[in-house]
Amino acid sequence: AQRVTQPEKLLSVFKGAPVELKCNYSYSGSPELFWYVQYSRQRLQLLLRHISRESIKGFTADLNKGETSFHLKKPFAQEEDSAMYYCALSYGNEKLTFGTGTRLTIIP
Amino acid sequence: GAVVSQHPSRVICKSGTSVKIECRSLDFQATTMFWYRQFPKQSLMLMATSNEGSKATYEQGVEKDKFLINHASLTLSTLTVTSAHPEDSSFYICSVIRLAQETQYFGPGTRLLVL
Repeated sequence: AQRVTQPEKLLSVFKGAPVELKCNYSYSGSPELFWYVQYSRQRLQLLLRHISRESIKGFTADLNKGETSFHLKKPFAQEEDSAMYYCALSYGNEKLTFGTGTRLTIIP
Repeated sequence: GAVVSQHPSRVICKSGTSVKIECRSLDFQATTMFWYRQFPKQSLMLMATSNEGSKATYEQGVEKDKFLINHASLTLSTLTVTSAHPEDSSFYICSVIRLAQETQYFGPGTRLLVL
């Protein structure tokens, strides 16, 4: 069965410091990985997906099949990055399995 | 602007009553919608896939007679929690797939509290 693990429930980072949110997955097929973000009092929204290889709001994530990881990174944290971040895996017919989420707090 | 709406945003009901939650796709037609539930401080768990014009597909462990899904049109799916009990209290979220963008858009969620 597919599984997504986000080991950190809470992460605090100083403004300007690098950010890395960890995500590991287990899935026997070829997964599609996503990062979703939920800002305070807003709905869940897509941040980025591995197949597009984009950098969104300065964030990047590389799929490492050897380590079964999809860590989210940003070189310089900004206050507006404070939010809840969910890693998710898609398995057939667009169904998503979510990790438990990491609450990122940027310290001014 | 919002692509997906949910109504109501929150509801309180007595144990034993049924509650209907609506999910609407505002900007495009959606043949597939998903229903998730989220307990406090936990992740979103997929409950079922709502298919327009056919029966919903439920995930393992989700009672289809408890959580009735109707996807009667290309812009509306409803989730009815039948004979609600306090353990059904949760945050229910729907999502809609925009096939052209291969992207899921999420609704704002409905908070259900069963007393």
